[in-house]
Amino acid sequence: GQNIDQPTEMTATEGAIVQINCTYQTSGFNGLFWYQQHAGEAPTFLSYNVLDGLEEKGRFSSFLSRSKGYSYLLLKELQMKDSASYLCAVDVANFGNEKLTFGTGTRLTIIP
Amino acid sequence: GAGVSQSPRYKVAKRGQDVALRCDPISGHVSLFWYQQALGQGPEFLTYFQNEAQLDKSGLPSDRFFAERPEGSVSTLKIQRTQQEDSAVYLCASSARTPEGGNTIYFGEGSWLTVV
Repeated sequence: GQNIDQPTEMTATEGAIVQINCTYQTSGFNGLFWYQQHAGEAPTFLSYNVLDGLEEKGRFSSFLSRSKGYSYLLLKELQMKDSASYLCAVDVANFGNEKLTFGTGTRLTIIP
Repeated sequence: GAGVSQSPRYKVAKRGQDVALRCDPISGHVSLFWYQQALGQGPEFLTYFQNEAQLDKSGLPSDRFFAERPEGSVSTLKIQRTQQEDSAVYLCASSARTPEGGNTIYFGEGSWLTVV
């Protein structure tokens, strides 16, 4: 089976830094995605990691360690609009197919 | 279009009614996915198309669910004899792999189905 774990809820202060962790145990691995989802809206792509290491993109960075089955999303200089759910997803398909398995999401609340 | 387009945006169906949800992927995207998302949960995989071929339908919850993509572009997810447990957001997504092997999967805004 597939197992993707991330905290259910987190709270952080405007202007601060927050790290959202994700651990996974999956039968296959073709890369790990982070998505942002505001209530009532579609998930929006944030990052994709397939090799170990840190990918930086503006205020958002994502890290992957395949040997540890671990990733994190780092958000810097938090803004109120960053209040959303953050979804960790692993592409678990084989043989050239694609299949994203999602965690339940981390609901992040930014407070002034 | 610029993004993945889904219709209807909202649908209320009476229990037992059939519904059809449409997805128009990003132009040129080979891969198309359908996901089901219950309130407060992450999306759950339903089915995957590569062009017109349905390569994986392992996530379809019952034989009441059927998806097609006959010409390799627009896709339709059909739910027959809807039940209350079918109430969810149905998300469509499409992707195009990059030459370097990277991948970005884009989601539509979803079709919100409520079965009463």
